[in-house]
Amino acid sequence: KQEVTQIPAALSVPEGENLVLNCSFTDSAIYNLQWFRQDPGKGLTSLLLIQSSQREQTSGRLNASLDKSSGRSTLYIAASQPGDSATYLCAVVSSGNTGKLIFGQGTTLQVKP
Amino acid sequence: GAGVSQSPSNKVTEKGKDVELRCDPISGHTALYWYRQSLGQGLEFLIYFQGNSAPDKSGLPSDRFSAERTGGSVSTLTIQRTQQEDSAVYLCASSRNQGNAGELFFGEGSRLTVL
Repeated sequence: KQEVTQIPAALSVPEGENLVLNCSFTDSAIYNLQWFRQDPGKGLTSLLLIQSSQREQTSGRLNASLDKSSGRSTLYIAASQPGDSATYLCAVVSSGNTGKLIFGQGTTLQVKP
Repeated sequence: GAGVSQSPSNKVTEKGKDVELRCDPISGHTALYWYRQSLGQGLEFLIYFQGNSAPDKSGLPSDRFSAERTGGSVSTLTIQRTQQEDSAVYLCASSRNQGNAGELFFGEGSRLTVL
């Protein structure tokens, strides 16, 4: 059974720092991995989708990497801003043919001005 | 529409009542998913639709939960005889692609509180 773990559960950094959020999964046979952002009381916003054949994806100040063999992904946020404060969720599609995502518990990020 | 739309955004009900939650996916998206997000439980898959059929219902927690999708578009999640443990945020997502290639886009969710 696929399990997704995110470390740390919470992170507080001063504005301007570069930071890394970690995601690990137990079954390396994944189809893709997706990073989301969730603001309090809101739905999920898709940030980056990495297909199993890809190593990384970039969008603005965000860069996500994927190492399937070791069961790991990282989300790198450059020059963090207070507006980046949110919960970041990692999810994988790992079995069947339904595109069903299995989620981690998330990392709650606070960027202090 | 521009994004996934869910209604109601908030629903407070009494234990034992039935509730219906609605999801309107992004136009042209054939795949639709329902998830539940409970405090301390994370995001839990409930059901997947491809068109109007539901090939994966494995996440529905009990037979009090059912869902349908009509016209390959709007979906309704129904919870019968609600219990306090059903209190959660119910999130709907849609994807353009069939199978495992697609990117999922989520709605804002319906927050259900069962008193």
